[in-house]
Amino acid sequence: DAGVIQSPRHEVTEMGQEVTLRCKPISGHDYLFWYRQTMMRGLELLIYFNNNVPIDDSGMPEDRFSAKMPNASFSTLKIQPSEPRDSAVYFCASSTRASANYGYTFGSGTRLTVV
Amino acid sequence: AQTVTQSQPEMSVQEAETVTLSCTYDTSESDYYLFWYKQPPSRQMILVIRQEAYKQQNATENRFSVNFQKAAKSFSLKISDSQLGDAAMYFCAYSYSGGGADGLTFGKGTHLIIQP
Repeated sequence: DAGVIQSPRHEVTEMGQEVTLRCKPISGHDYLFWYRQTMMRGLELLIYFNNNVPIDDSGMPEDRFSAKMPNASFSTLKIQPSEPRDSAVYFCASSTRASANYGYTFGSGTRLTVV
Repeated sequence: AQTVTQSQPEMSVQEAETVTLSCTYDTSESDYYLFWYKQPPSRQMILVIRQEAYKQQNATENRFSVNFQKAAKSFSLKISDSQLGDAAMYFCAYSYSGGGADGLTFGKGTHLIIQP
């Protein structure tokens, strides 16, 4: 398996633009998580899905952030409009209920810079 | 809500020496899992070691071992015979084991520097 695949690896955008981050979980994993990593706040859970359904989005910072999972092999995290304070590394991770006890598998992250 | 605290923002150790990274957590649950993740400059999150709360025996993985003190809610990571490749950010994480997978709670991390 290729692991959790995120794209793009780097994204630079101007303030006010829409940004879409993409994630492909490991095949067979029915849980998908989006995390944000910043120096100030560390790794924060934004939202997670189970069987493509959002379960907990309490970590989503503002209405400018939205996430979807239209099928078992694809998820997006969208920021519209983007702001400089959204600059961070965004990670996607996937798991099954059983494998969660052994840790989640993370993608390589997307480094977002909003200028 | 669960919290995870890593009180050492940065640690430095000589190559081949032993270093211990500290982690404390707060939870009202009795069944849970604890993890240490390594994040090298490549940014990849790599699982180093895990501990099941109901097991008293401390987990070990080659040069990596933990000191799990459930009553004190402490979960430290010991790295023996430190190597240059161990240089990275290390994150302690907590996961509740009841129900399904509901996310990992991470500490802020410890930056480990290996001096040659």
